[in-house]
Amino acid sequence: SYVLTQSPSVSVAPGETATITCGGNNIGSKRVHWYQQKSRQAPVLVVHDNSDRPSGIPERFSGSNFGGTATLTVSRVEAGDEADYYCQVWDINSDHYVFGSGTKVTVL
Amino acid sequence: QVQLVESGGGVVQPGGSLRLSCVATGFTFSRHGMCWVRQAPGKGLEWVAVTSYNGDYKYYADSVKGRFTVSRDNSKNTLYLQMNSLRADDAAVYYCAMRPAGYNWFDPWGQGTLVTVSS
Repeated sequence: SYVLTQSPSVSVAPGETATITCGGNNIGSKRVHWYQQKSRQAPVLVVHDNSDRPSGIPERFSGSNFGGTATLTVSRVEAGDEADYYCQVWDINSDHYVFGSGTKVTVL
Repeated sequence: QVQLVESGGGVVQPGGSLRLSCVATGFTFSRHGMCWVRQAPGKGLEWVAVTSYNGDYKYYADSVKGRFTVSRDNSKNTLYLQMNSLRADDAAVYYCAMRPAGYNWFDPWGQGTLVTVSS
């Protein structure tokens, strides 16, 4: 089965940039989606199809998928961005949806 | 506005059954796929099941295949998850989410319902 790999944690100071990565076999051929989950809340979609932002999501959230790694970048980090972030893809070979293990972003 | 509200969670003994419901409002339910995603305590997100807009296509995670059944009643704008032969590792918050037609991401999500499996 397809596996997505994320680093467990990232720490960033307010105003700086948080970079969250997601790796997987031939991930560049897939559309990667990102979710933010704050403590005790349901997940929220922040980026879909590698780099598109849903309405209402700040421009500070951006995504890319090239060079074998998908990346979610949060610019000008705020205290309210502290959350767990998950990447997700659809595996065409199995018709299964796959989530990464999640990255905890801590704002110092 | 678009809203999903889950219900049906609770405490069940190992080997028991439970049916979860998810009522959708604010959008044309019958046009979109729907899914269930769960999160065990302190763990990450795990996709459980998905159904197409009309219920013709259903796919399951290997961990629940043969034990869980996803269904929908478009006349009631409701998604269901029938869970049988429950095990301790099925304990989790279960979220329903919309899979917009033609896409493979999930938005929005409900607030979740907690399933506890314990004797």
